[in-house]
Amino acid sequence: AQTVTQSQPEMSVQEAETVTLSCTYDTSESDYYLFWYKQPPSRQMILVIRQEAYKQQNATENRFSVNFQKAAKSFSLKISDSQLGDAAMYFCAYRSPNSGSARQLTFGSGTQLTVLP
Amino acid sequence: KAGVTQTPRYLIKTRGQQVTLSCSPISGHRSVSWYQQTPGQGLQFLFEYFSETQRNKGNFPGRFSGRQFSNSRSEMNVSTLELGDSALYLCASSLEGTAPYGYTFGSGTRLTVV
Repeated sequence: AQTVTQSQPEMSVQEAETVTLSCTYDTSESDYYLFWYKQPPSRQMILVIRQEAYKQQNATENRFSVNFQKAAKSFSLKISDSQLGDAAMYFCAYRSPNSGSARQLTFGSGTQLTVLP
Repeated sequence: KAGVTQTPRYLIKTRGQQVTLSCSPISGHRSVSWYQQTPGQGLQFLFEYFSETQRNKGNFPGRFSGRQFSNSRSEMNVSTLELGDSALYLCASSLEGTAPYGYTFGSGTRLTVV
């Protein structure tokens, strides 16, 4: 079974600065998908960014980018120019390819990000 | 485009009762998944439905069940409620369970069992 580990329960960043959230995972599969979700106090999980394992290029979405190191099984999220609205719980998630019964997200334990004005 | 709608937002039930939660996916999404979120266990997968069929089930007791209707709306039911069932229940929909599109989540139903 796959596992996802987020070793930073809490992080803080000054507004306009850059912060990196860490995520490692364990899998024996060669193809898979990785996601970062944010969960603000409104409780809704919002997709931040996704990465297909077969793509070597790191995904980028505006101020959000990832550092995907497949050999190291590492998938960190970098938030540039942090804004107050970025404050939330961030979850890293793994999903197997579409085959078989693996259509589920396996989540890490989350990192609570605080943005300081 | 309407998002994923979960009802009710909050629910308080007594031990031993049963409860039904509802999820309406984004129009056109045929895959609906359910997750339980608790402070102790984090986010755990309950089950996934696609075209009215359960395709995948997590490691939860048989008290947890679900179904999906022809319009892709889904319900989950928990019978004989226990205190430990208190959690945020999240529903997510996706385009035929295709991972590259990701999953769109609802705001959840907060269930409190007293």
